[in-house]
Amino acid sequence: GAGVSQSPSNKVTEKGKDVELRCDPISGHTALYWYRQSLGQGLEFLIYFQGNSAPDKSGLPSDRFSAERTGGSVSTLTIQRTQQEDSAVYLCASRTRDRPFSGANVLTFGAGSRLTVL
Amino acid sequence: SQQGEEDPQALSIQEGENATMNCSYKTSINNLQWYRQNSGRGLVHLILIRSNEREKHSGRLRVTLDTSKKSSSLLITASRAADTASYFCATDLLYQTGANNLFFGTGTRLTVIP
Repeated sequence: GAGVSQSPSNKVTEKGKDVELRCDPISGHTALYWYRQSLGQGLEFLIYFQGNSAPDKSGLPSDRFSAERTGGSVSTLTIQRTQQEDSAVYLCASRTRDRPFSGANVLTFGAGSRLTVL
Repeated sequence: SQQGEEDPQALSIQEGENATMNCSYKTSINNLQWYRQNSGRGLVHLILIRSNEREKHSGRLRVTLDTSKKSSSLLITASRAADTASYFCATDLLYQTGANNLFFGTGTRLTVIP
């Protein structure tokens, strides 16, 4: 697609439920990132994919969080047994392997999925 | 933390004035980038400055980088109400195999009053 698409744009769930957030990156972008942004805060790195593999999962806050990517394209971030502190905007971003800007990591972001856990 | 820290956290100015935001970081970088985020939206890349550059311009944006002080500044000249947004610096660290290298700061919330 022309941009990075995320769905749902808004999700309200009850504490303890599982949620899945989807990211559809720009076609041909091999690297994909997930970030979390709590209200009024900066971006917290969660996980980074290169192709279908995740060389860096260091930002996942707990084992309730997992992510996968299939076909080198769509990625799903799953949060199990959601807690109120999981409420945030989850942002996805992608970039090309060829790294425009002569090797720099310059990301294109989606609009985010706002998660509210009641 | 490897994140940058922006200063100030919030800035309110009149339309037409200049806005300056600062970013400090901790480790050696390949480049430093500035992104903008309108309310309820994703981040949009504005400008990139490499570690061997000291100043860069793009339209009404001017970015400086001082690697000895590990700091950068973003200047928006002749601000407009449409510049109202949050601005984030992002540090692209020296390459680490297999690791995420891009870290975002906490952001400056800019309000431009018409």
